[in-house]
Amino acid sequence: LAKTTQPISMDSYEGQEVNITCSHNNIATNDYITWYQQFPSQGPRFIIQGYKTKVTNEVASLFIPADRKSSTLSLPRVSLSDTAVYYCLGYSGAGSYQLTFGKGTKLSVIP
Amino acid sequence: SAVISQKPSRDICQRGTSLTIQCQVDSQVTMMFWYRQQPGQSLTLIATANQGSEATYESGFVIDKFPISRPNLTFSTLTVSNMSPEDSSIYLCSVVRGSSGHEQFFGPGTRLTVL
Repeated sequence: LAKTTQPISMDSYEGQEVNITCSHNNIATNDYITWYQQFPSQGPRFIIQGYKTKVTNEVASLFIPADRKSSTLSLPRVSLSDTAVYYCLGYSGAGSYQLTFGKGTKLSVIP
Repeated sequence: SAVISQKPSRDICQRGTSLTIQCQVDSQVTMMFWYRQQPGQSLTLIATANQGSEATYESGFVIDKFPISRPNLTFSTLTVSNMSPEDSSIYLCSVVRGSSGHEQFFGPGTRLTVL
């Protein structure tokens, strides 16, 4: 999962669902997909991770199709506080981390 | 989760000097990572620091410029040596925790400005 591609920016109105897609064409069999959120002047914060199909937690959902060449982070009913940069990142098995952050997607939530 | 602190939180330094950044974790971890984030940019991994062994540097980063120490399982330092204005960045440390081993936790970062 050395290289990921995401949209540079997205705008959304409050209350809408936002979907951010990350392309990772050269994903390896052992790679997990993880997503991070970063606010200005803070370190990134882990949001969600998955390997295939769908994963949901209290913050977001992550959809990974069968070919695993992309993943989509879904944020339900965004609020102004969701304005941040979102990164997808891949991990191989424990002890073998590929820690290449892509450029990230700057999400701007509009009132 | 993991609680990570960094010191200093920010500093302004003169060209040619060195700054050592400290990273403290609230529990023992095997691997610690150091990143650089230039203004408005994504994160770039500098090196991976394992306790008891030499740090592993990524392409474009060398030990002479960014020496790293890892004296125990809860602490690490990154030194930015012979600084130039191009070294002005935010420097972050992180660790991997979580039941799956895939969750990375970051410190708050050190904002460095080199004049």
